[in-house]
Amino acid sequence: QQQVKQSPQSLIVQKGGISIINCAYENTAFDYFPWYQQFPGKGPALLIAIRPDVSEKKEGRFTISFNKSAKQFSLHIMDSQPGDSATYFCAATAPARQLTFGSGTQLTVLP
Amino acid sequence: DTAVSQTPKYLVTQMGNDKSIKCEQNLGHDTMYWYKQDSKKFLKIMFSYNNKELIINETVPNRFSPKSPDKAHLNLHINSLELGDSAVYFCASSQDAGAGNQPQHFGDGTRLSIL
Repeated sequence: QQQVKQSPQSLIVQKGGISIINCAYENTAFDYFPWYQQFPGKGPALLIAIRPDVSEKKEGRFTISFNKSAKQFSLHIMDSQPGDSATYFCAATAPARQLTFGSGTQLTVLP
Repeated sequence: DTAVSQTPKYLVTQMGNDKSIKCEQNLGHDTMYWYKQDSKKFLKIMFSYNNKELIINETVPNRFSPKSPDKAHLNLHINSLELGDSAVYFCASSQDAGAGNQPQHFGDGTRLSIL
């Protein structure tokens, strides 16, 4: 049972373009939605996170959009750079529960 | 200074062997985790542990067991290794698992290959 569904599986974007990764969840008890970035040979690292009481959070070129009624959230990477090429994971957790990860999106930004 | 360190980085061994992976965190965190990442990069939690509670993912075979000598260490012991155990294993830590919303800090992984 996959509680957090992530798409697309892979994404290729030109330098300067916008990368968009989408996630959907089913468990309405989830109250924290982080995104993790993983480079080859490294562990995932927290990129940005949001709570369901806000609809958007922006940190630099990275923005999370959150739609509570649709139970969906997405990561937008503005002005994508080759250095952004990595695997991105959405995740969700409920209070006192473990983190549940999406299946990952491999992003390639072409120079 | 590495916040979460795992050893070894690579582990190649025969089927049926017993092996251990070590993990140490210097962040002063209360909770540590083990994750398994398969060949499709899917991340799945195996265990979470603090000084109060061990939470085991019910899908993890009992051949896998976490051992914590102190708050800063959580080692993973695997008995009778099988081909399907080949994966990358990540250790992670967070300040407080009870809050559910604390960032998790990951090590760089141990790539386990079973021959």
